[in-house]
Amino acid sequence: AQSVTQLDSQVPVFEEAPVELRCNYSSSVSVYLFWYVQYPNQGLQLLLKYLSGSTLVESINGFEAEFNKSQTSFHLRKPSVHISDTAEYFCAVSEGSGGGADGLTFGKGTHLIIQP
Amino acid sequence: DAGVIQSPRHEVTEMGQEVTLRCKPISGHNSLFWYRQTMMRGLELLIYFNNNVPIDDSGMPEDRFSAKMPNASFSTLKIQPSEPRDSAVYFCASSLRGTGHGYTFGSGTRLTVV
Repeated sequence: AQSVTQLDSQVPVFEEAPVELRCNYSSSVSVYLFWYVQYPNQGLQLLLKYLSGSTLVESINGFEAEFNKSQTSFHLRKPSVHISDTAEYFCAVSEGSGGGADGLTFGKGTHLIIQP
Repeated sequence: DAGVIQSPRHEVTEMGQEVTLRCKPISGHNSLFWYRQTMMRGLELLIYFNNNVPIDDSGMPEDRFSAKMPNASFSTLKIQPSEPRDSAVYFCASSLRGTGHGYTFGSGTRLTVV
């Protein structure tokens, strides 16, 4: 069975500083990896994903994540954060051939807190 | 597209009552998922459907929970009887299987059982 570990439940960062949110997974087969963001009182929104190909994937708002198979990690990074990045971030993994559309397993989330 | 639509947004009910949560997936999507979110347990996959057929319901906590998808545009999650420990935010999500586009989540239903 697959599982996802997000090592930090909460990460406080000053505005314009870099940030890394850590995610490790366990699985016996090939996986698809995702980061979702949840703003207060909203549903989850897809931030970025890794299905195959280049191990470095980017989002439109400056986040990036790198798939590291040997370390079974998919850490999320941003070189300079903004107040609007304050949210809950979820790492998720899926096994299977459905292009990531089989049941996702989510980590417990990391609350990113941006301090002015 | 209006996205995934869930109703109601908020539900407060008394213990023992039946609760029905509703979801309308994105038109054309062929997979639908029900998740529950709590502070203690995070996001849990309850059940998912492919082409209206339940594929994996191993996450459904107990027999009090049931889910149906009578057609491609509608799904329900029912709790009968409800208990205070069922209080959570319930999310529905849909996707187009095989495209790798990920899920689209609804805004959730916040259920409070008193």
